Amino acid sequence: AQSVTQPDIHITVSEGASLELRCNYSYGATPYLFWYVQSPGQGLQLLLKYFSGDTLVQGIKGFEAEFKRSQSSFNLRKPSVHWSDAAEYFCAVVPWGAAGNKLTFGGGTRVLVKP
Amino acid sequence: NAGVTQTPKFQVLKTGQSMTLQCAQDMNHEYMSWYRQDPGMGLRLIHYSVGAGITDQGEVPNGYNVSRSTTEDFPLRLLSAAPSQTSVYFCASSPSGGGDEQFFGPGTRLTVL
Repeated sequence: AQSVTQPDIHITVSEGASLELRCNYSYGATPYLFWYVQSPGQGLQLLLKYFSGDTLVQGIKGFEAEFKRSQSSFNLRKPSVHWSDAAEYFCAVVPWGAAGNKLTFGGGTRVLVKP
Repeated sequence: NAGVTQTPKFQVLKTGQSMTLQCAQDMNHEYMSWYRQDPGMGLRLIHYSVGAGITDQGEVPNGYNVSRSTTEDFPLRLLSAAPSQTSVYFCASSPSGGGDEQFFGPGTRLTVL
């Protein structure tokens, strides 16, 4: 079955430390890949997206993600976390060629930042 | 631009009541969608529209109706609310399909007693 999996429900990281959030997808063909962030009580904001080409994608707020076809993964990274990065992060996909622009989301990873 | 707006922000209903969640966008986007967010499940697509007069079902459409009479507005109707519909609802819009960025509204938190 087609799915998006974020294995880590919660991650706690110290301010200034690096962060990596995992995302795996299960689709026949590589879908469009996205990372969204949701701050407490807010809507979702797009961090970055991957369609094709360079497998290392740069996004906003200092985030980057690496697409690995062999592992069906699209992991999100940030070299040095700031307290304002505490939020919930969602990996999402849109199947290639699908009608509409229908996002399928992973379950989310909540990031807590320790001072 | 206000972007995507949703009203109300909070709502409490009793089982069996009906209501409409409003969504509007001022970006002239063709595509609009409704998602619900439940803990641990991410967001799931309820209904979507690819243009005025065209709607289709998403992953969890039961208990919800939509219509799209204008490009700007995409209301979500609950005809007979059930406790299982307690959730946070997000509306989103995008210029088109093909993986275009979707812009999300601030959400409506709905509680059904």
